[in-house]
Amino acid sequence: GIQVEQSPPDLILQEGANSTLRCNFSDSVNNLQWFHQNPWGQLINLFYIPSGTKQNGRLSATTVATERYSLLYISSSQTTDSGVYFCAVFYGQNFVFGPGTRLSVLP
Amino acid sequence: NAGVTQTPKFQVLKTGQSMTLQCAQDMNHEYMSWYRQDPGMGLRLIHYSVGAGITDQGEVPNGYNVSRSTTEDFPLRLLSAAPSQTSVYFCASSYSRLRPSYEQYFGPGTRLTVT
Repeated sequence: GIQVEQSPPDLILQEGANSTLRCNFSDSVNNLQWFHQNPWGQLINLFYIPSGTKQNGRLSATTVATERYSLLYISSSQTTDSGVYFCAVFYGQNFVFGPGTRLSVLP
Repeated sequence: NAGVTQTPKFQVLKTGQSMTLQCAQDMNHEYMSWYRQDPGMGLRLIHYSVGAGITDQGEVPNGYNVSRSTTEDFPLRLLSAAPSQTSVYFCASSYSRLRPSYEQYFGPGTRLTVT
């Protein structure tokens, strides 16, 4: 099956800093999503990005499908950005999730 | 649209009891799935369905049963609860992969404790 890896596993930032989260996958996929799980456990869709670049406010994402990776950029981080960020790909019949990056933004 | 809804939000069961976790979506999505998330871990797929009348097993199906009699509903049944099933359960839905765009949407989760 496909392997989905995320790095770094943990990240601590001061408010206002920028960060880049990475998602690597071991096979070709047609669908990639980024999610944010907030401290209350809710999973929030950030981007549906099988290829190319998208931006939404302070967040942007880039997927290079031919090289099997995706990047999530967070600029001017805020404490509300804290939580776990997951990437997920659709492979075969199912979505497969990476292990997540836990982000803590300190005031 | 209400999106993906789940009930109950919280549940405590005794070992051996059975119960059904409800999931419904109003987006006419063909694909629905159940995940469990244990503390500090990612999401593991329990069962999924690609359409009404069709279900299949995911990574961790043991101890769980599903059915899909309508497009909207996808209940998850715990047949005889065990402490190892203490977890947070998420339901999700999306269009099928035959569509140009099939992003997945999640419900708010059900926090289950088995004593």
